Amino acid sequence: GQSLEQPSEVTAVEGAIVQINCTYQTSGFYGLSWYQQHDGGAPTFLSYNALDGLEETGRFSSFLSRSDSYGYLLLQELQMKDSASYFCAVLSGNTPLVFGKGTRLSVIA
Amino acid sequence: DTAVSQTPKYLVTQMGNDKSIKCEQNLGHDTMYWYKQDSKKFLKIMFSYNNKELIINETVPNRFSPKSPDKAHLNLHINSLELGDSAVYFCASSQAAREQFFGPGTRLTVL
Repeated sequence: GQSLEQPSEVTAVEGAIVQINCTYQTSGFYGLSWYQQHDGGAPTFLSYNALDGLEETGRFSSFLSRSDSYGYLLLQELQMKDSASYFCAVLSGNTPLVFGKGTRLSVIA
Repeated sequence: DTAVSQTPKYLVTQMGNDKSIKCEQNLGHDTMYWYKQDSKKFLKIMFSYNNKELIINETVPNRFSPKSPDKAHLNLHINSLELGDSAVYFCASSQAAREQFFGPGTRLTVL
């Protein structure tokens, strides 16, 4: 089967940097996606890593280490609007996408 | 223009009733999905359709029946609703599975 682990909650200060980790276990791994979901909203796609290394998109970056079955989402220059839940999701040969349980990020002033 | 739309947004009903949720996407994607998100925000795939054909059917009670009349539509019919069916149901579509576009969700409350 597949499993993903990510912290349930993270709190960070406005303007700071926060890293949300995700470890996974799966067979037939293709890649790791990240999604953001605001309260009452729908999940929205942030990034996807298939290869080792860092992918940067504006203030958000995502990292993958296939050998360690580990990835993280890095959010820089945090803003209040970044308060949301962040989900890692693993893409493998078995099912299209399996989501982690989400990390609730609270950005405080 | 809404990319993935769902109706209704809210659904409140009694146990034992039958209800349907409709989903439409105008992105031209080949694959559509239904997800269930419970009160703990766990997002779990229920079904996946590719070009109107069922390709994934996770362990879901057969009271849940998806129907795809064409590749832009994927509806979900639920028979004999139970309290445990209360959740937010999301429809999604994608061309590549890694990047899925979600609808706004349907909050189902079973009383």
